[in-house]
Amino acid sequence: RKEVEQDPGPFNVPEGATVAFNCTYSNSASQSFFWYRQDCRKEPKLLMSVYSSGNEDGRFTAQLNRASQYISLLIRDSKLSDSATYLCVVNPGDMRFGAGTRLTVKP
Amino acid sequence: NAGVMQNPRHLVRRRGQEARLRCSPMKGHSHVYWYRQLPEEGLKFMVYLQKENIIDESGMPKERFSAEFPKEGPSILRIQQVVRGDSAAYFCASSPTDSTTGELFFGEGSRLTVL
Repeated sequence: RKEVEQDPGPFNVPEGATVAFNCTYSNSASQSFFWYRQDCRKEPKLLMSVYSSGNEDGRFTAQLNRASQYISLLIRDSKLSDSATYLCVVNPGDMRFGAGTRLTVKP
Repeated sequence: NAGVMQNPRHLVRRRGQEARLRCSPMKGHSHVYWYRQLPEEGLKFMVYLQKENIIDESGMPKERFSAEFPKEGPSILRIQQVVRGDSAAYFCASSPTDSTTGELFFGEGSRLTVL
């Protein structure tokens, strides 16, 4: 079993849609969780950290479910500029990345 | 404050040659990570280093690959006797502390093409 697994995608959604990604992790001792965004042929950049209580940043909401060992990312009112690959990252210690979920938002 | 600097940005090598990729972390960062990304695939962790120490190299291939982060100078990922399968983007990231708490800052990557 992979340490970090993500929805394979790709997700193709119209502008304005709501889309959600999940990411499961195998190490129950994991302490820190992040979502990164990677545009085509660019480096990954931090989108948001994921806190135990869940957190929201504008149209983006991140949730953590420790019992089921997954994190989620919800994007509301999708924009064309949200098209990218979304990577989940789980600790401890070595920041292992999920394979990424590709999102394409279409007009 | 300059970001993570990687060079070269693009490197072309013939099979059997050596490739050296350099990474200068952000100022004040003492933790460096190397990742490999094959076309259309996700990031694969390779190695985690602190100054003069390899902390975790569980993602490094057993042969031909090595990494170092000397007391002075950039971190270097070295690939000996390259093969076509080594063609990929190699990303370096740095953090100021142990990554259990903090964000990773990525360089723009080095794209290796093996002919």
